Amino acid sequence: DTAVSQTPKYLVTQMGNDKSIKCEQNLGHDTMYWYKQDSKKFLKIMFSYNNKELIINETVPNRFSPKSPDKAHLNLHINSLELGDSAVYFCASSQGGTANTGELFFGEGSRLTVL
Amino acid sequence: RKEVEQDPGPFNVPEGATVAFNCTYSNSASQSFFWYRQDCRKEPKLLMSVYSSGNEDGRFTAQLNRASQYISLLIRDSKLSDSATYLCVVFRGDSWGKLQFGAGTQVVVTP
Repeated sequence: DTAVSQTPKYLVTQMGNDKSIKCEQNLGHDTMYWYKQDSKKFLKIMFSYNNKELIINETVPNRFSPKSPDKAHLNLHINSLELGDSAVYFCASSQGGTANTGELFFGEGSRLTVL
Repeated sequence: RKEVEQDPGPFNVPEGATVAFNCTYSNSASQSFFWYRQDCRKEPKLLMSVYSSGNEDGRFTAQLNRASQYISLLIRDSKLSDSATYLCVVFRGDSWGKLQFGAGTQVVVTP
């Protein structure tokens, strides 16, 4: 039973295309995130949602649009893909609010390659 | 200056040996600290939290030095399965879990 699952695991696409990554968690957590891990291995937060509400929106191009239909799902849509968008995108969840221990549960990652 | 800095390594360690490495953080208001482990082409997973008094979890020992703003991880009796990238993670304590990740220290345990 996968706790945080994201699809697809691999995406290869051409510049200028639009793509989406889906994420679902069955841990009952209130907070979900998208992180980007580039070739230098830095994990950078992009977005965070708590109970479907956007909480964190880092300096991310507006070509990236997250959507949370309910607290168990957080999807990421990317418009007009660029070469620099090539990275591994990790979805994660945590228990938000005062119960937040700082522990994140990550999905397996979606490896995006833009050609 | 990056908020969390780590020596990228790799640290090449013979099986059975001890390896230790540090991580420095720049924000003195940081409240919680963690070590995550990331295997090659896998997702990061929490290895252990780091407490002010230092803490052990089996062969792993974590230390925090608030005055000098660094945390450390020591691995005793290294196993081949300890080969991974160890990510230093700092949490400022806000409710929404905005963690700052270091780029990781790679450890390679050799037979």
